[in-house]
Amino acid sequence: ETGVTQSPTHLIKTRGQQVTLRCSSQSGHNTVSWYQQALGQGPQFIFQYYREEENGRGNFPPRFSGLQFPNYSSELNVNALELDDSALYLCASSSGPLNQPQHFGDGTRLSIL
Amino acid sequence: ELKVEQNPLFLSMQEGKNYTIYCNYSTTSDRLYWYRQDPGKSLESLFVLLSNGAVKQEGRLMASLDTKARLSTLHITAAVHDLSATYFCAVEKSGGGADGLTFGKGTHLIIQP
Repeated sequence: ETGVTQSPTHLIKTRGQQVTLRCSSQSGHNTVSWYQQALGQGPQFIFQYYREEENGRGNFPPRFSGLQFPNYSSELNVNALELDDSALYLCASSSGPLNQPQHFGDGTRLSIL
Repeated sequence: ELKVEQNPLFLSMQEGKNYTIYCNYSTTSDRLYWYRQDPGKSLESLFVLLSNGAVKQEGRLMASLDTKARLSTLHITAAVHDLSATYFCAVEKSGGGADGLTFGKGTHLIIQP
């Protein structure tokens, strides 16, 4: 069984730039959720995608956007990067929109200079 | 707004001792999760608690849920160094699968020989 994989593992950007993070879902899972984890904090829900549509969103501004593809892989895009966007970004997949993720990917560590 | 509070946030204990981590949440919830996170790593699922009075045990860890008190506990028995990690509880809002999980700030646990 293939788990959740994320790329890249680390990324350094500067303020104002744009970034795309990628996630491949666990085999058989059609729902993907993204979380932001700032240093020393618990993860915060960004949004969830199901069948290529966003069907749930946390308290994040519109410059955080996403895509889900027919093979259920997903992207998180962040525009106009700010220093506070520095965090670990976690992706998790699940077998349906009402089933919470049990398996998270290893995350992408994003640093904004 | 769903709030999740963990305490303590930091815990240093000796091997062989017992201790309990507490997780309080503010609104009705369908499910409660416990995760473990090692430094620089992703989240590892420990327990999913689905109903009032649920108790689950794995090795030296035991989790319980009291939905009436909106309280979950994670009990550590005869702690060993390998259990040193940060432990998070996370709550799924009732009927809110698409709203993701709300995490506590985590309990940073250090177990010393």
